[in-house]
Amino acid sequence: EVQLLESGGGLVKPGGSLRLSCAASGFTFSGSAMSWVRQAPGKGLEWVSSISAAGVSTHYADSVKGRLTISRDNSKNTLYLQMNSLRAEDTAVYYCTKSPGMVVVVYFDYWGQGTLVTVSS
Amino acid sequence: QSALTQPASVSGSPGQSITISCTGTSSDVGGYNYVSWYQQHPGKAPKLMIYDVSNRPSGVSNRFSGSKSGNTASLTISGLQAEDEADYHCSSYTSSSTVVFGGGTKLTVL
Repeated sequence: EVQLLESGGGLVKPGGSLRLSCAASGFTFSGSAMSWVRQAPGKGLEWVSSISAAGVSTHYADSVKGRLTISRDNSKNTLYLQMNSLRAEDTAVYYCTKSPGMVVVVYFDYWGQGTLVTVSS
Repeated sequence: QSALTQPASVSGSPGQSITISCTGTSSDVGGYNYVSWYQQHPGKAPKLMIYDVSNRPSGVSNRFSGSKSGNTASLTISGLQAEDEADYHCSSYTSSSTVVFGGGTKLTVL
């Protein structure tokens, strides 16, 4: 059974940093591209960032480029999102997602339960 | 990248069919057969219902179907059931090698 377990969310002040983690199990982690998708309170889904299976290729939404960094450790079956220079508009539930392909992300076949990030003074 | 356009809400009675539209551009919906649909119940994570415009993952009811014409994709749910009441989100691959979502549609089963 595929499981994606996010952690690391919490309350942070504007301008602060946070690192999210996603522990994966039940599938070949090193064979799947992974992504982060977020959902602000009462809003729709927003794609944030994706990383290829080998970690060589990354993509970011314009709204987070230069502030958020996606990475992965295939030896630990873990996906990360380093979040710097956080803003109020980054407040959201962050979902870890898996895609069936290795490089190109076109859809998300499994989702974690999400971790809440709140940016407020 | 602008979000795809979905109606804010749709409704239908049990047993009826409803269709949710998802409109983009030639750089996303119209340019690729990579439209997907997700169902999200309150407080829960989204669940993949349709991928690559019209394919259903294993375990998803055949009451759910997807299609596309030009820059607009559609999700149809036939034989509406109370458990179908949820938010539905569409997404598409884009020419920038990114993914864009719609704003979401709240389905109410009357």
